[in-house]
Amino acid sequence: GAGVSQSPSNKVTEKGKDVELRCDPISGHTALYWYRQSLGQGLEFLIYFQGNSAPDKSGLPSDRFSAERTGGSVSTLTIQRTQQEDSAVYLCASSRSALNEKLFFGSGTQLSVL
Amino acid sequence: GENVEQHPSTLSVQEGDSAVIKCTYSDSASNYFPWYKQELGKRPQLIIDIRSNVGEKKDQRIAVTLNKTAKHFSLHITETQPEDSAVYFCAASLNTDKLIFGTGTRLQVFP
Repeated sequence: GAGVSQSPSNKVTEKGKDVELRCDPISGHTALYWYRQSLGQGLEFLIYFQGNSAPDKSGLPSDRFSAERTGGSVSTLTIQRTQQEDSAVYLCASSRSALNEKLFFGSGTQLSVL
Repeated sequence: GENVEQHPSTLSVQEGDSAVIKCTYSDSASNYFPWYKQELGKRPQLIIDIRSNVGEKKDQRIAVTLNKTAKHFSLHITETQPEDSAVYFCAASLNTDKLIFGTGTRLQVFP
């Protein structure tokens, strides 16, 4: 089937605006991650969903960031009152289970805050 | 929580030479250590992983070694080729916990 799908692929916004980034994981995958990758930098963990468990939000950089995962499938990452330092590629990944399995990454959303 | 450090940040080698990338982790309970390769403009992809019950794993030209006592693991690429040029990320996790990545190593293989 299809891989992990993210939308939009690119988002340009003005400082102070809110943005929503969407992730469609592979069907049946119970684990879903959001990572942030700034230009030339590493993969910064943001949030992790596993099945019906409470999400691990320990990587969210501020209370302007939040994420939901509805029905154990689609996830939305919301950034409120965007700042220039939020500019980065936001990558979503899913895996079949949480038991240390291969992550399948989406192609990411390039967010630019002007 | 887990913290993963990775060295070097950049590595340049001549085609045919070997390349070694090293990572250390902080949580002695971590038991899963994958390596991901990210080519320019593409998404990261798993190339090899190792679990804490083994010390070494090989797959053709790539191998990973794990030293649990020292809390470090390494990626070894032999007979490097230009198509090995990419950013490589190590990672660590415990059971069903989140996967934490290192900061990445940019490998350049010159013909």
